[in-house]
Amino acid sequence: GAGVSQSPSNKVTEKGKDVELRCDPISGHTALYWYRQSLGQGLEFLIYFQGNSAPDKSGLPSDRFSAERTGGSVSTLTIQRTQQEDSAVYLCATPGNEQFFGPGTRLTVL
Amino acid sequence: GNSVTQMEGPVTLSEEAFLTINCTYTATGYPSLFWYVQYPGEGLQLLLKATKADDKGSNKGFEATYRKETTSFHLEKGSVQVSDSAVYFCALSDKSGGSNYKLTFGKGTLLTVNP
Repeated sequence: GAGVSQSPSNKVTEKGKDVELRCDPISGHTALYWYRQSLGQGLEFLIYFQGNSAPDKSGLPSDRFSAERTGGSVSTLTIQRTQQEDSAVYLCATPGNEQFFGPGTRLTVL
Repeated sequence: GNSVTQMEGPVTLSEEAFLTINCTYTATGYPSLFWYVQYPGEGLQLLLKATKADDKGSNKGFEATYRKETTSFHLEKGSVQVSDSAVYFCALSDKSGGSNYKLTFGKGTLLTVNP
């Protein structure tokens, strides 16, 4: 979607490795959301940022998942000790009640 | 909690046929309702939205009306084209958490339109 970029577009990793996924939204949007799209679970919410704070982390599936946002802009989603069930497309969206999505990062855990 | 149920696919139609994809929802507050579309090999795009009861969202010939009495937001198009082939997702956001507009999605419906 216009105004949101994500990197990398594809990431292949081995089970047990850590990965970092990046979201770079258009400047000025204080709200940022992470979702993931997988065959088994469909599209599901992960975490919501308002500025640099994350008041809603309820969708993070385990403590291996964490995210941060700096400068009210770029956000990084980190998955530690990746598992095969983490394979999915990870999507970032802004700004609020009308959300526009980035192109996503396709994560494959071998 | 919030939930969205949409008709199972896949749906296969001939060009110029009428399309309906059913969507019903459960929400604790007063949600906004959305249809998103994902064309083959592309990202998720907002197709249309409605923010209150009886609102009609429309775009690219698609329409959906926010029906509070039946908790529904069915997607319709009078004459589909091959280029409409895509996966369609119904979604809601419920601003019950202040400024948090997190989306709850249905499972998606794959539409294939044949020439």
